[in-house]
Amino acid sequence: NAGVTQTPKFQVLKTGQSMTLQCAQDMNHEYMSWYRQDPGMGLRLIHYSVGAGITDQGEVPNGYNVSRSTTEDFPLRLLSAAPSQTSVYFCASSRRTAPTTNNEQFFGPGTRLTVL
Amino acid sequence: GENVEQHPSTLSVQEGDSAVIKCTYSDSASNYFPWYKQELGKRPQLIIDIRSNVGEKKDQRIAVTLNKTAKHFSLHITETQPEDSAVYFCAARGGPDAGGTSYGKLTFGQGTILTVHP
Repeated sequence: NAGVTQTPKFQVLKTGQSMTLQCAQDMNHEYMSWYRQDPGMGLRLIHYSVGAGITDQGEVPNGYNVSRSTTEDFPLRLLSAAPSQTSVYFCASSRRTAPTTNNEQFFGPGTRLTVL
Repeated sequence: GENVEQHPSTLSVQEGDSAVIKCTYSDSASNYFPWYKQELGKRPQLIIDIRSNVGEKKDQRIAVTLNKTAKHFSLHITETQPEDSAVYFCAARGGPDAGGTSYGKLTFGQGTILTVHP
């Protein structure tokens, strides 16, 4: 299994440009999520999905869109990039669980995005 | 929503010493508390986790304790080694929302940079 994969690894954008960060997993996980990581602020949830066709907002959703047309893929779209979106982006997946179970989240390798 | 506070932000110890990182959470319905380790330039990886019906869990040199009444949990690393140097994150999984879709949502602490000096 490849686990969780992300592309690209690095990206530089100009303010106002759009782009899509790709995320895929081959573990048949129902739950997928996007986080951004900034120094001193931990991992903050942007959007998440509990299955194909179902998405919801996390803690910092503004400026980002997502869709989930298949179980495997969960792309993150930046419609009009801003310098404040300079960050490292991680995609993660896990099994959908009940309150009585643990659900380890498996992270992708990350995408380092710089917006000039 | 859930709020997780993590302390300290940096921790420096000598090899062989113990290290303790503490986290507090706000949602009394939270029921799952994982700890992740992130080495420089790498992805976060789970090192230990605990559910709300357990007070302590140990795995070799690492252990996690949970106090549900006080809503805090801690990571303990004994006999630290230089390879333990990394950023450590605590997280909490909040209680279910009305739609039952929040079981996978984790709220992370701000992270602790642990440095173990040889």
